[in-house]
Amino acid sequence: GAVVSQHPSRVICKSGTSVKIECRSLDFQATTMFWYRQFPKQSLMLMATSNEGSKATYEQGVEKDKFLINHASLTLSTLTVTSAHPEDSSFYICSASYGTGSYDGYTFGSGTRLTVV
Amino acid sequence: KQEVTQIPAALSVPEGENLVLNCSFTDSAIYNLQWFRQDPGKGLTSLLLIQSSQREQTSGRLNASLDKSSGRSTLYIAASQPGDSATYLCAVITSLAGTALIFGKGTTLSVSS
Repeated sequence: GAVVSQHPSRVICKSGTSVKIECRSLDFQATTMFWYRQFPKQSLMLMATSNEGSKATYEQGVEKDKFLINHASLTLSTLTVTSAHPEDSSFYICSASYGTGSYDGYTFGSGTRLTVV
Repeated sequence: KQEVTQIPAALSVPEGENLVLNCSFTDSAIYNLQWFRQDPGKGLTSLLLIQSSQREQTSGRLNASLDKSSGRSTLYIAASQPGDSATYLCAVITSLAGTALIFGKGTTLSVSS
């Protein structure tokens, strides 16, 4: 149980285009989902917290107009990278808490490798 | 601000060795600590979750301990195997529901046969 499905796993796009990444909780309802970004050989850096039915909360330094997050249902959150540039190339991972709160741990999607050319 | 540090950054061992990965955090007021494994280019797999009231958790050849007062956790891997080669990430949470994990930079383990 507690599976998060993330798609696509890999995407290559042209500079200036937009890319949407989906994150679905398959067997539980995720009130809150988190989006992380990971550069090579670096740890996961939190980008934003996505709450169902409300606006996402972005971390300092993350452009909310560039990284659009939508969490319209309890099982789906999407991250759209708008007007992508090569510097946006990275590994993006979503996460959700699968229990009644922080006590039960977190599960992660398999990640999306974005390459902007 | 909570900071998580993992030492060493990289570790190479021959197959069969027992090893310890270290994780420290600056704010001892955590709710739980979770160890993950990440294979190259892949997502995270949860290995062990230790809640704040617990001192250790075990799963197979893995044992994780938690000492909140000193801000430390260790992940012990017994009888290491080449398949254990991966990056191991330690993460903590310092608040109730709705707060994200804070990660260390990880320890990259290489087990040679």
